[in-house]
Amino acid sequence: RKEVEQDPGPFNVPEGATVAFNCTYSNSASQSFFWYRQDCRKEPKLLMSVYSSGNEDGRFTAQLNRASQYISLLIRDSKLSDSATYLCVVTSSGGYQKVTFGIGTKLQVIP
Amino acid sequence: NAGVTQTPKFRVLKTGQSMTLLCAQDMNHEYMYWYRQDPGMGLRLIHYSVGEGTTAKGEVPDGYNVSRLKKQNFLLGLESAAPSQTSVYFCASSYSIGGVDTEAFFGQGTRLTVV
Repeated sequence: RKEVEQDPGPFNVPEGATVAFNCTYSNSASQSFFWYRQDCRKEPKLLMSVYSSGNEDGRFTAQLNRASQYISLLIRDSKLSDSATYLCVVTSSGGYQKVTFGIGTKLQVIP
Repeated sequence: NAGVTQTPKFRVLKTGQSMTLLCAQDMNHEYMYWYRQDPGMGLRLIHYSVGEGTTAKGEVPDGYNVSRLKKQNFLLGLESAAPSQTSVYFCASSYSIGGVDTEAFFGQGTRLTVV
């Protein structure tokens, strides 16, 4: 089983739709969680950290469920500019603090 | 405000050739990383450094060496390139590893093809 698993998609959604991605992690000792965004042929950039209490940034909401070991990202009112790959990132300790990226979920917002 | 700069951006190597990828950051970050990204595999950590003069192996270190002689620079070397090393390489840096508000900043990537 991969340490961090994501559905690679693609998710094709119309403009204005709400879309949600999930990411599961296998290490129950994982400490920190993030969503990164990666545009085609570009570098990943931090979208948002994921806090235990959940957090919201405009149209984006991130949730953490430690009991079920998954994090989620909800995008409301999708824009064409949201088209990208969304990477789930999990950090855990064990010798060194390990940062593990998921393979990413591709989102394509359609006019 | 350069952030993380990688050179070169593109390179084609013949099997057996050597090369060095340079990563430079101007944010005074302690931690620096080298990743490779391949289709269907996600980002995989090659080597990392927790400070000047230190290096450590990541998930896929074989065939690569690194050095961190100066805090701002992290070099990735391929001594004898193989076609399996065809990939996109990303350098990243962060103030620390982990933590709720730790952000990793990435360079623009190096597209390496080994023929």
